[in-house]
Amino acid sequence: GAVVSQHPSRVICKSGTSVKIECRSLDFQATTMFWYRQFPKQSLMLMATSNEGSKATYEQGVEKDKFLINHASLTLSTLTVTSAHPEDSSFYICSATERLSYNEQFFGPGTRLTVL
Amino acid sequence: GQQLNQSPQSMFIQEGEDVSMNCTSSSIFNTWLWYKQDPGEGPVLLIALYKAGELTSNGRLTAQFGITRKDSFLNISASIPSDVGIYFCAGRVNNNDMRFGAGTRLTVKP
Repeated sequence: GAVVSQHPSRVICKSGTSVKIECRSLDFQATTMFWYRQFPKQSLMLMATSNEGSKATYEQGVEKDKFLINHASLTLSTLTVTSAHPEDSSFYICSATERLSYNEQFFGPGTRLTVL
Repeated sequence: GQQLNQSPQSMFIQEGEDVSMNCTSSSIFNTWLWYKQDPGEGPVLLIALYKAGELTSNGRLTAQFGITRKDSFLNISASIPSDVGIYFCAGRVNNNDMRFGAGTRLTVKP
């Protein structure tokens, strides 16, 4: 199946710093990439949807200036958490869709962000 | 937005037992999907359902797309310890709009 990677898998940062998370589709070109956030023992909440070369579409309640998404190519999307605060600590998961697989979403392994 | 009600929240079963979980919604979906998530990992797609009434199997897993398009169930037969994890249903209206249920946490006792 289609493989999606994320980097880093785990990051700890100080409050006020910015953190960049990369999401790559390794063996396919992703028509669309999605960013989710998951708090402990909770479900995945969609944050934003991005298509290559265009601005991301953010879900209601997600601050676009705080969670910057760049989708520079068909295989790479980045999420930057700017001026991170402890309440931003969460598990961030990206997914990518492949046109040839009925646009099913294939998920990355996630990035655990801890803001001190 | 569309709300998915997934039940049960958690299950504790003995190895070898069958498992059943379901998702319901007040909204209609065009696709139903079932994912499994292991701790610290991203979800992995188990079964995708595209047509109302569709019944699909993947090994010991069987899932059905409800005829009303508002529900789906997942059955696991003859559970084994590696079935432990969190199972999520997801309903999709279009390519860019997929919503997840709250998850069913499965524990299998050897």
